Amino acid sequence: QKEVEQDPGPLSVPEGAIVSLNCTYSNSAFQYFMWYRQYSRKGPELLMYTYSSGNKEDGRFTAQVDKSSKYISLFIRDSQPSDSATYLCAMSAYRRDTGRRALTFGSGTRLQVQP
Amino acid sequence: NAGVTQTPKFQVLKTGQSMTLQCAQDMNHNSMYWYRQDPGMGLRLIYYSASEGTTDKGEVPNGYNVSRLNKREFSLRLESAAPSQTSVYFCASSDRLDNQPQHFGDGTRLSIL
Repeated sequence: QKEVEQDPGPLSVPEGAIVSLNCTYSNSAFQYFMWYRQYSRKGPELLMYTYSSGNKEDGRFTAQVDKSSKYISLFIRDSQPSDSATYLCAMSAYRRDTGRRALTFGSGTRLQVQP
Repeated sequence: NAGVTQTPKFQVLKTGQSMTLQCAQDMNHNSMYWYRQDPGMGLRLIYYSASEGTTDKGEVPNGYNVSRLNKREFSLRLESAAPSQTSVYFCASSDRLDNQPQHFGDGTRLSIL
């Protein structure tokens, strides 16, 4: 079983829709939660970064963390065709064996916003 | 702004050949990373360098070596390429205090026959 699970999609929505992207995880040691956006043939770019449970908003994007359910979400309001990309969740935990934080990525959800 | 630059963008190798993937960043970041991305598996850390002169193994280091040449450059070497190393390789850099990757290059698509 993977530590981080993410539905690969594709998720197809009409322009203007509210998009919900989700990840579940099994390791309760994860403390930091991130969302990356990756356009086709490009590298990922850091979109959102959260630490605690609750919501964090940045423009049309809202990241939500529910540590009790081990579930994180990214909401995109008023979705645009330019939002069409693969969205990767990532989670960080301190590893005692290495003495540093390690980042675990989900495999990504492909989003298509239809004009 | 160039950000993180990777060369080459594409490469085809035969099994047993060697090659070096180059990465350079112009943001004066201390930390640099090499990841591989395979379908259905997410990004996996190969090696990272927290600062000039230091390197550490990541999750999947076998078959790879790295060199942090200076603060700007971090190269990844495949000494004897194997088909299992067919992947897309990403270099990243960061100045975050928690040392998590912040800026990625556009990747090197490597096929090993």
